[in-house]
Amino acid sequence: AQSVTQLGSHVSVSEGALVLLRCNYSSSVPPYLFWYVQYPNQGLQLLLKYTSAATLVKGINGFEAEFKKSETSFHLTKPSAHMSDAAEYFCAVSDRGSGGSNYKLTFGKGTLLTVNP
Amino acid sequence: NAGVMQNPRHLVRRRGQEARLRCSPMKGHSHVYWYRQLPEEGLKFMVYLQKENIIDESGMPKERFSAEFPKEGPSILRIQQVVRGDSAAYFCASSPEQAAFNYGYTFGSGTRLTVV
Repeated sequence: AQSVTQLGSHVSVSEGALVLLRCNYSSSVPPYLFWYVQYPNQGLQLLLKYTSAATLVKGINGFEAEFKKSETSFHLTKPSAHMSDAAEYFCAVSDRGSGGSNYKLTFGKGTLLTVNP
Repeated sequence: NAGVMQNPRHLVRRRGQEARLRCSPMKGHSHVYWYRQLPEEGLKFMVYLQKENIIDESGMPKERFSAEFPKEGPSILRIQQVVRGDSAAYFCASSPEQAAFNYGYTFGSGTRLTVV
């Protein structure tokens, strides 16, 4: 069974500082990987996804993530935090390939990012 | 093009009542997925439906929970005889085909159910 571990339930950074949110997955084969952002009382918005093209994936709002198979990681980064980045971030995986349950996402528990002025 | 619409946004029910949560997928989307988010947890898959068919309900609790996606109208997640542990945010997502993730999901804003 797949699983996702997000290290750090709460990360606090200063405005302008580097954002690093960690995600490690467990899967028998390289899965599809996703990062979602959730603003308070809102739904989930897709930030970026890895589906086996380039291992460095660029997303919206200046975020990017790198797939490292050897480390089973998919950490999310942003060079310079903005106040508007304060939200909860979820890493998720799904099965790869047709015929399987590739519609089913397994989510991590989330990391709450706060940005201090 | 409206996104995935869920209503109500907030729902309060007393223990033992029924909760009905609605989800209208994006236009042109015929696949609907329901997820539940318990406090301080990630989202967990509940059920996957196509029009008039339940494809995978492996994440649904065995009792009191049911889901449907009729030929006409929204998808409905129904919880009978609610208990305090049902308090959670329920999210719906849709896709134009089975989400092989070349496309991916679009999530609604969720229904936050509180059982008092």
